[in-house]
Amino acid sequence: GENVEQHPSTLSVQEGDSAVIKCTYSDSASNYFPWYKQELGKGPQLIIDIRSNVGEKKDQRIAVTLNKTAKHFSLHITETQPEDSAVYFCAASQRTNAGKSTFGDGTTLTVKP
Amino acid sequence: KAGVTQTPRYLIKTRGQQVTLSCSPISGHRSVSWYQQTPGQGLQFLFEYFSETQRNKGNFPGRFSGRQFSNSRSEMNVSTLELGDSALYLCASSPGQGPMNTEAFFGQGTRLTVV
Repeated sequence: GENVEQHPSTLSVQEGDSAVIKCTYSDSASNYFPWYKQELGKGPQLIIDIRSNVGEKKDQRIAVTLNKTAKHFSLHITETQPEDSAVYFCAASQRTNAGKSTFGDGTTLTVKP
Repeated sequence: KAGVTQTPRYLIKTRGQQVTLSCSPISGHRSVSWYQQTPGQGLQFLFEYFSETQRNKGNFPGRFSGRQFSNSRSEMNVSTLELGDSALYLCASSPGQGPMNTEAFFGQGTRLTVV
């Protein structure tokens, strides 16, 4: 089955700096890669996703890149703000089987004001 | 558009008991997936239901079961509870088919504590 590794497990940055979280996956059949943000006491919230036919996607301060050959994808947050502090999860699934996602173990991001 | 609703938010049960959790997906969504979230194991896939049928299943024992109703609402049941079942149980709602199939939206979860 699919295995997703995520690192780092914790990340602390100063407000205004950039943050990068990286994930690798094992199953070459995976073709959909979402990223979720989970705040304390809440469920994960989809913040951005990328499909395997795209190498990069950007949404305001958030961007995701995908390298299919190396089987890794990354989340980039620029101009970080204290409200970006949360746990971030990457996931991998197949578009035809998207109801079953494999998640990374999460990265706790702390943005210091 | 109302989000994903999970009830109850919190539960405390005793070992050996059983529990039923409920999830109401976003209107129009036909797929409901369940996940167990624990500090040590992260988010683990339990099962997915689509149009009242189990479409995918994770690697959990048979004590974990689920079902989906004709209105797409889903329930999961855990029998003979063990201390290790203490976790946040999350459900995710998605269309289940079509071009937007992959976009999943999570509920706030049910925090189950087994004592």
